[in-house]
Amino acid sequence: EAQVTQNPRYLITVTGKKLTVTCSQNMNHEYMSWYRQDPGLGLRQIYYSMNVEVTDKGDVPEGYKVSRKEKRNFPLILESPSPNQTSLYFCASSLVRDSKGQYFGPGTRLTVT
Amino acid sequence: DQQVKQNSPSLSVQEGRISILNCDYTNSMFDYFLWYKKYPAEGPTFLISISSIKDKNEDGRFTVFLNKSAKHLSLHIVPSQPGDSAVYFCAASGYGGATNKLIFGTGTLLAVQP
Repeated sequence: EAQVTQNPRYLITVTGKKLTVTCSQNMNHEYMSWYRQDPGLGLRQIYYSMNVEVTDKGDVPEGYKVSRKEKRNFPLILESPSPNQTSLYFCASSLVRDSKGQYFGPGTRLTVT
Repeated sequence: DQQVKQNSPSLSVQEGRISILNCDYTNSMFDYFLWYKKYPAEGPTFLISISSIKDKNEDGRFTVFLNKSAKHLSLHIVPSQPGDSAVYFCAASGYGGATNKLIFGTGTLLAVQP
């Protein structure tokens, strides 16, 4: 089954404790991306990757890091989480051109206290 | 600056009636538009799309209309069903049909009352 998986689905952590949210896709997509969803703000792109070892900032990259060492995986790293990073995070993947756009993972609900 | 806007945060309709969700954009370079549907505790899923060379695309109960001069698109759902209750996001891309760089609207919560 074609899918994007994320782990963990739910995470509660404290300010400053480094964390990683994993993302994996099995569709051999070149493009992967991370979004955060906040009330009234929709989906905002954090980082994206056009292919292995190629990453770039999206619209809200501050406080986040990513890496793309393998085509299927695109982890999101929060080196020192802060309460303003409490949000719902989505990983997505796609071909460069696909009439169906991007395929999203199920989301990770992160709470930073 | 919000390039893609969904001005109605929520919409309530009766089962069997038409649901019309609206989306406005400001960037005239956008050439591909998509609608996604999101249920609670799930990721967004693709619903329907339209290229800027068309003004209408239909898929079953779902039709998307594009008015380029007004920079406006709308999603019509006819007839609406309770299972259509979800958040709907419109998204736009301006890279020659590429769909990897999408700009999303803020979403509209549709509630279909039985």
